[in-house]
Amino acid sequence: DIQMAQSPSSLSASVGDRVSITCRASQGISNHLAWFQQKPGKAPRSLIYAASSLQSGVPSKFSGSGSGTDFTLTISSLQPEDFATYYCLQYNSYPRTFGQGTKVEIK
Amino acid sequence: EVQLVESGGGLVQPGGSLRLSCAASGFTFSTSWMDWVRQAPGKGLEWVANIKADGSEKNYVDSVRGRFTVSRDNAKSSLYLHMNSLRAEDTAVYYCSRSLIDWGQGVLVTVSA
Repeated sequence: DIQMAQSPSSLSASVGDRVSITCRASQGISNHLAWFQQKPGKAPRSLIYAASSLQSGVPSKFSGSGSGTDFTLTISSLQPEDFATYYCLQYNSYPRTFGQGTKVEIK
Repeated sequence: EVQLVESGGGLVQPGGSLRLSCAASGFTFSTSWMDWVRQAPGKGLEWVANIKADGSEKNYVDSVRGRFTVSRDNAKSSLYLHMNSLRAEDTAVYYCSRSLIDWGQGVLVTVSA
């Protein structure tokens, strides 16, 4: 199975900050990586697919980059509604595997 | 608008069985891969299984293979997860998803004596 190492596991940031979350795959996955946002008690929300493509309706403050084994999700200017847990997912092979999550908290 | 509504969760004893259902609307169900993802209380997301649009291919995570079966009824726009030999570690909220893009609200399965 492909392991997804996500870092950091949590971070504290202020409104307006630029934050980045990284995901490292245990083997190359091309660009078969997605990012999700999840708020407490809610279903995940798809943000990015194919490493850098924005899902419909997702604001452009979210961006993704990377290919192969190293990937990054960046939020350009953190807003109150962005405080949540973020997960990466590889869909290059089965089983699909998620990173362990990054909780973004208010400083 | 895409809607995915799960049902069938509840409390079941270890070793028991349960069938989850997911009613889909707002998209062409018969041409969509469908997934099940779960989340244990206070834990991260775990992909469980998926099924091809025509039902001809199914994939599972090792921890459920042989115990869980994913199926679909395209005439009813419905997805199912048949869960047998349930264990305490299967306790989780189970989400139905259209290709990991659109998600249902989730249904809680609790395995406990």
